[in-house]
Amino acid sequence: GQNIDQPTEMTATEGAIVQINCTYQTSGFNGLFWYQQHAGEAPTFLSYNVLDGLEEKGRFSSFLSRSKGYSYLLLKELQMKDSASYLCAAQSGAGSYQLTFGKGTKLSVIP
Amino acid sequence: GAVVSQHPSWVICKSGTSVKIECRSLDFQATTMFWYRQFPKQSLMLMATSNEGSKATYEQGVEKDKFLINHASLTLSTLTVTSAHPEDSSFYICSARKPQGDEQFFGPGTRLTVL
Repeated sequence: GQNIDQPTEMTATEGAIVQINCTYQTSGFNGLFWYQQHAGEAPTFLSYNVLDGLEEKGRFSSFLSRSKGYSYLLLKELQMKDSASYLCAAQSGAGSYQLTFGKGTKLSVIP
Repeated sequence: GAVVSQHPSWVICKSGTSVKIECRSLDFQATTMFWYRQFPKQSLMLMATSNEGSKATYEQGVEKDKFLINHASLTLSTLTVTSAHPEDSSFYICSARKPQGDEQFFGPGTRLTVL
């Protein structure tokens, strides 16, 4: 089966750093995606990890540990516009490339 | 680039009618397209996987006779909600994958309201 777990809500202060954790149990695991979704809009791609380690892209970084079934998204220098839901999604391989999404973490950035 | 469009962006219909939603990859050919449904405050739930020229693969619990998917070309997939009912009201999102690549590119979504 597929199971993705991430916190429901988080609050952080503008300018700060926040880490959003995600644990997964996925058969045929082939990679871990993070998406940002603003209310009423479609998700936008943030990062993709297939190997263990940290991927850095500007203010956003994502980490993966395949042995632990664990990933996190790190957001630095938080801005008010970063208030959104952050979706963790595990990809199944074997040619299907299907994504199983977590329920999302609603991040609120406060002044 | 990798742009995916959806049409319409929102639709309101009466119960019992059918609604067609189009998903287009504008600047690339999409071997595979995916259809998701998202209820308020819920995550995206995969409904079906659509490969060009072949029948769609539906997830467990999704009625293939109610949600008709046609992937007639490498740039267009359509989802038709037949005999829509109020419980079908949701945010429908498609995504497309390039032949070489893992990333899915999402359309802007279609909000369906069935009265």
